Amino acid sequence: DTGVSQNPRHKITKRGQNVTFRCDPISEHNRLYWYRQTLGQGPEFLTYFQNEAQLEKSRLLSDRFSAERPKGSFSTLEIQRTEQGDSAMYLCASSYSGTSSYEQYFGPGTRLTVT
Amino acid sequence: KQEVTQIPAALSVPEGENLVLNCSFTDSAIYNLQWFRQDPGKGLTSLLLIQSSQREQTSGRLNASLDKSSGRSTLYIAASQPGDSATYLCARRSKAAGNKLTFGGGTRVLVKP
Repeated sequence: DTGVSQNPRHKITKRGQNVTFRCDPISEHNRLYWYRQTLGQGPEFLTYFQNEAQLEKSRLLSDRFSAERPKGSFSTLEIQRTEQGDSAMYLCASSYSGTSSYEQYFGPGTRLTVT
Repeated sequence: KQEVTQIPAALSVPEGENLVLNCSFTDSAIYNLQWFRQDPGKGLTSLLLIQSSQREQTSGRLNASLDKSSGRSTLYIAASQPGDSATYLCARRSKAAGNKLTFGGGTRVLVKP
């Protein structure tokens, strides 16, 4: 499968624990995005990378959140000291800047439940 | 504030009826607009992308139109089928907002056999 992949697909954690999610973009895509989606809402932008550089961050990304893309390939999103309000679907998307459309392709998401 | 709105939030139609899904946005300086399908608990599947220079895009039974002057896009699904039941989301990429997509809240569609 050559689409965007995300692991794990589901994560249940206790409040206060740290969690880390991984995203593997489509191989030739140099742009990678993280979004968060709560139940019944549309996804909200969190952050964006071009290659290994993090170029844009939403104010939704508090200091408990950190994202990396160390070699310009896969990315990780870490949440420290999780809170119940962090429960959501975390979606990753990728795109290629060599096309005029910058069409974003989404992965299946990681559903986080904080108890 | 740059917003994207989808009304209605939910829609139920009998099989075979045409679906009309609406998306409105406040920023007319868009780069492109993308329509997605989302099944329960799943990720997003891209359906159609309309560039700001285009007025419509078609794929099979799907047709999406874009009217920048009125800040509206419409997704038409012809001859709906039960398998079309899903949530449909529109998302705008704005020239002023960098590379992020701004999503509407979605329209949840149920096609009854």
